[in-house]
Order: sequence, then structure tokens, then C-alpha cells
Amino acid sequence: AQTVTQSQPEMSVQEAETVTLSCTYDTSESNYYLFWYKQPPSRQMILVIRQEAYKQQNATENRFSVNFQKAAKSFSLKISDSQLGDTAMYFCAFRTSNTGNQFYFGTGTSLTVIP
Amino acid sequence: KAGVTQTPRYLIKTRGQQVTLSCSPISGHRSVSWYQQTPGQGLQFLFEYFSETQRNKGNFPGRFSGRQFSNSRSEMNVSTLELGDSALYLCASSLQAGGGTGELFFGEGSRLTVL
Repeated sequence: AQTVTQSQPEMSVQEAETVTLSCTYDTSESNYYLFWYKQPPSRQMILVIRQEAYKQQNATENRFSVNFQKAAKSFSLKISDSQLGDTAMYFCAFRTSNTGNQFYFGTGTSLTVIP
Repeated sequence: KAGVTQTPRYLIKTRGQQVTLSCSPISGHRSVSWYQQTPGQGLQFLFEYFSETQRNKGNFPGRFSGRQFSNSRSEMNVSTLELGDSALYLCASSLQAGGGTGELFFGEGSRLTVL
């Protein structure tokens, strides 16, 4: 079975501080791709960062970076210098190479940035 | 470039009725996927269409159906509505039929309430 677990339903962080959102996944496939999506309140989901499982180097996009531990099937998201606009629901997701555009999502982590 | 457009944004139905939701993908995108989002469940994959063909289907009852037209616009239909069908239904489009780190582009969703 393909599953994604986000064990932190809610988190908060002070503005300008760093926060890490955890995600573990399970798949028997060897070729897959990992994503973090952000869903601001009442707004559409947008891609934050993505990572190919075959790449050992962790992906980075400006203030967002991941810690990908393939053996542990862990894919955490680190947000540095948190900003008020980072307040949102964050979803971890993956898809395999043979499931088309079927993504497997976690249940999300609601992040609040406190001024 | 216009994003993914979903209509209607909000709707209220009663048990036993049926509903049709519409999705217009980003121009040039031929893949359209549908997801059901509920609190605590995250996003659950419903189905994906590419070039008018259903490529993949999630684990939902036959009351949930969809189709895609030649202009890539898609509709999903839910018949004999149940209270548990209350959810945010998200449509996502993609340029490709899956694979790699190609991302999904989401609409703002159609929020369905079943009374």
C-alpha cells in the first residue's frame, strides 16, 4: 500500500524562526517522486518543493529545503526565516513512476506563523 | 495564463440528489485529476483523465464518475449523494500524463455540503 503519514496536525512558529515539518511515506516502488504542497487559507494549493527519490542531494527552493532520508522513507520540510505568508496547511505527497498523476497525500500539517 | 477554474465554488445539496462539478484546466494541459479533500483524511484521489480517457481510478464507489471533453475540460458527477460526500473537491491539471517531477496545478475547489 502507498501511504503518507504527517504526524504533526498543527504547528506554530515565531516569525523569522525555523520550523521543520515531518513526513514519512511507504511504498514498495523503487522509482518515485516526492512533493510538498502548500494550501493557504481559502486559497488554492501550490507546489513548494519537489525531489526525485533517486537523487541523494536534498532539494532547496529559497527558504524551503527538504531532508530526504530514503532508507527511513522520511521527507521532512524545513522552512527558514518564517514569514506570515507561510501560514497555511502543508501536505506531503508522492507519486510513483507508474501511477500517472495519481498522487498520494498525507493528512496535512496546519502551520501558523506568529508575529 | 489562466489557472485551473472550477465551478461552482460552493453548493448545497440534500441526500439522494446528484451533483455535477466542472473543471477547466490550464490551456494546453491534457491531464485532469480529481481529488476529494476532507478534514483528517487529506486528499483522496478520485480519478484522472488524459485525452478524454480515464487513466486511473481511486477507491471510490461507482456513484462517483467523471468524463473529459475534447477541449480537456472535465466534469465529475456524484449520484445519490450521502452526508459523507460533503467535502472540498479539487481539480488539478498537468501538462503530461504523469511521471517525473511534473507538478499538479490545482483549482480553488468546489465545496459541496450535503444536508
